Amino acid sequence: QKEVEQDPGPLSVPEGAIVSLNCTYSNSAFQYFMWYRQYSRKGPELLMYTYSSGNKEDGRFTAQVDKSSKYISLFIRDSQPSDSATYLCARARNSGYALNFGKGTSLLVTP
Amino acid sequence: KAGVTQTPRYLIKTRGQQVTLSCSPISGHRSVSWYQQTPGQGLQFLFEYFSETQRNKGNFPGRFSGRQFSNSRSEMNVSTLELGDSALYLCASSSQGEGYTFGSGTRLTVV
Repeated sequence: QKEVEQDPGPLSVPEGAIVSLNCTYSNSAFQYFMWYRQYSRKGPELLMYTYSSGNKEDGRFTAQVDKSSKYISLFIRDSQPSDSATYLCARARNSGYALNFGKGTSLLVTP
Repeated sequence: KAGVTQTPRYLIKTRGQQVTLSCSPISGHRSVSWYQQTPGQGLQFLFEYFSETQRNKGNFPGRFSGRQFSNSRSEMNVSTLELGDSALYLCASSSQGEGYTFGSGTRLTVV
């Protein structure tokens, strides 16, 4: 079983839509959860960083962690064509330790 | 402040050769990690250094090695290159309590 499962997509939505991206993971001994955005031929860019369960909001982005269900979500409100990228979820046992990544979900926001 | 800098950006090597990649972390970040990204396997953890000590190591053969200097700059080395080593190699740095910030990567092609 893969440690972090993520639907590869592609996911195509119209501009202005609310986007929901999800990951599931095995082994609950992880405390730190992150979402990264990666444009083609670039390195991943940190979007959200959360500790344990709960929600975190930053502008149009909301990250949600449900440790009881082992489920991580990223919501993007008012999606823009510039949001078109691959979104990667990641987890770590502890701050500064190795990240386990999902394979990424490709998102396309059409004007 | 300056981001994570990786050099070179692109590299072409022949099978059997060795290669050294360089990473300069964000000023003040003492943790540096290396990841390999391929279309098939996604992002996979290679190793992580903190204050010149390797703290974690991923599941890669001994041909992959790294080190960190007293100024937190890091290098990774791959010896006896194989075609399957062709990938984007990403370096990330972190400060305690923060997520990892990635560089743009070095794209290595082995021919």
